[in-house]
Order: sequence, then C-alpha cells, then structure tokens
Amino acid sequence: QKEVEQDPGPLSVPEGAIVSLNCTYSNSAFQYFMWYRQYSRKGPELLMYTYSSGNKEDGRFTAQVDKSSKYISLFIRDSQPSDSATYLCAMKETSGSRLTFGEGTQLTVNP
Amino acid sequence: KAGVTQTPRYLIKTRGQQVTLSCSPISGHRSVSWYQQTPGQGLQFLFEYFSETQRNKGNFPGRFSGRQFSNSRSEMNVSTLELGDSALYLCASSPSLAGGRGEQFFGPGTRLTVL
Repeated sequence: QKEVEQDPGPLSVPEGAIVSLNCTYSNSAFQYFMWYRQYSRKGPELLMYTYSSGNKEDGRFTAQVDKSSKYISLFIRDSQPSDSATYLCAMKETSGSRLTFGEGTQLTVNP
Repeated sequence: KAGVTQTPRYLIKTRGQQVTLSCSPISGHRSVSWYQQTPGQGLQFLFEYFSETQRNKGNFPGRFSGRQFSNSRSEMNVSTLELGDSALYLCASSPSLAGGRGEQFFGPGTRLTVL
C-alpha cells in the first residue's frame, strides 16, 4: 500500500466550477503538506504549503489538512482553463527533506 | 531571481550506457534533491545533497549516484542504463537542509529516454 493515495482522475469540469482534490496518507509522521501544480512537460510548481492541521487560503486556492483523518484537500474556486494541469499532493516529515508524493490528479477545465 | 536550471533538457541513450545530469539551484539555496518521475511510479525521491554531502537517500540501486559542488550545483549519474530508467529526472532546491519548512522548488527536469 502506498503511503500517499491520490485519485489520478482524470477530472473534467466546466469553467467557473469549484474543484476539490484530495489525498489520504498512512504515515503519522507527516507534518508538512504541500500541493504542487505541474503543466505538461514542466516541473512541479509549489502552490500551497501547510504545516500540521488547519486551513490556508491563497486567492482562489484553499488547502485543508485534517491530521486526525489523515486527509488533505485542495479547493479551487472559480476554476479557469489555465488551471488545467496535474495536481500533486506532497508530504514531509519534520526531519529531512524527502517529499512523498501522491500519484497526481489530472484536471481539465473546459471553457 | 533565476529558478532552478537543469541540463540537458532531453537526452536519448542506449542500454548499458551511462549518463550525467546537471542541476543549478536557486541562488543562495544550499540543498539540492533529485526525484525520478515515471507514469507508473509517480515522483520518487532519489537523494538529497547539502554542503557537498549526501544527507538522505531513496530506495534506488547503487547505479544511481550524485554529488554536489562547493557552489551548490549538483550532478546525478546513472550507470549501466536500463530501459526502466526512462523518466523525467527532476531537481529541487531548498534554502536549507529543510529540517523545518522544507519548501522545495523544482526545475523543469531532464527527460531521459533509454533505447
């Protein structure tokens, strides 16, 4: 069983929709939680970063972490065609820099 | 501020050959990590270097190695290439050893194809 599980999709939504992306994990030592966006043939771009449980909002993006359920989410409001990409969740323990990634969810926002 | 740069961007090799990939981190960043990305396995951690020393290593065979220079630039080497080594190799830089926040910034990657 993978340490981080993420539904690979694909997920297709109309422009303006609210998108919900999720990951579950099994390692209780994960303390830092990230969401990366990766466009085709590009490297991952850091979108959101959260420490421990709680919510964080940045523009149209909201990240939520529920450590008790070992579940993290990324919400995208008013989705745009430019949001079409693969979204990767990533997690890290307190020590070291190794990131453990989910498989990635491929999102398409249709105009 | 310039981002993480990786060279070359594309590489084609044949089985049995070896390859060296290069990464220049963001200016001032001292930690460099390498990841392999494949459709089947996703992104997997290879190793991390800080101050010219390997600090962490993922679960990859000894054919995969790396080093870091005094200017923080890093190289990774794969010897005796196998077909399964075809992947996007990503380099990520971080300001510190990332015992804390651990924000890592990725380069565009080197796409390696092994024939």
